[in-house]
Amino acid sequence: KAGVTQTPRYLIKTRGQQVTLSCSPISGHRSVSWYQQTPGQGLQFLFEYFSETQRNKGNFPGRFSGRQFSNSRSEMNVSTLELGDSALYLCASSSSYGELFFGEGSRLTVL
Amino acid sequence: DAKTTQPPSMDCAEGRAANLPCNHSTISGNEYVYWYRQIHSQGPQYIIHGLKNNETNEMASLIITEDRKSSTLILPHATLRDTAVYYCIVRVNTGNQFYFGTGTSLTVIP
Repeated sequence: KAGVTQTPRYLIKTRGQQVTLSCSPISGHRSVSWYQQTPGQGLQFLFEYFSETQRNKGNFPGRFSGRQFSNSRSEMNVSTLELGDSALYLCASSSSYGELFFGEGSRLTVL
Repeated sequence: DAKTTQPPSMDCAEGRAANLPCNHSTISGNEYVYWYRQIHSQGPQYIIHGLKNNETNEMASLIITEDRKSSTLILPHATLRDTAVYYCIVRVNTGNQFYFGTGTSLTVIP
């Protein structure tokens, strides 16, 4: 069974640009969550999607958005990038209310 | 809003049991305690979870106090590959929203 796949693994952007990250959950999983990890703030919850609907949202500005497609794949977008958005962005999938299975993350560097 | 408190770091001798404590004094009756670990630059890995009773699987044991205000993760025979940051997490019951605290950096010493 394939795990959670995140693309791209690494990317570099400049301030003011936008970025889109992709996540393919484990087959059969309908819940996809996104987390941001930085050295200063640790792992912070961004949002969760279940059956194409946002079910929970963390305390992040509106520049951070996401969506989920009918095949459960999810994307997150960050607009007007700031230096502080440099982080490891982790995606996790779950069958419903169960343990999360994390991908290896997308490491974003904003210059 | 981490809801959990863990010591920042611990050492453990290889082959010995590693006991990682966690305080979650504000936990609600229907909130689960989860443990994950993260090896440098990798995604967090699920270890174990529980609600009220003690739990054991092939990786670890989870001991939850009767008042549910604290728990202990036990790695029975620590190996060098167990060196990682261990997160004790309280999961909000209304979805897959996990509050990760700062975790405990466990170093297994040869």
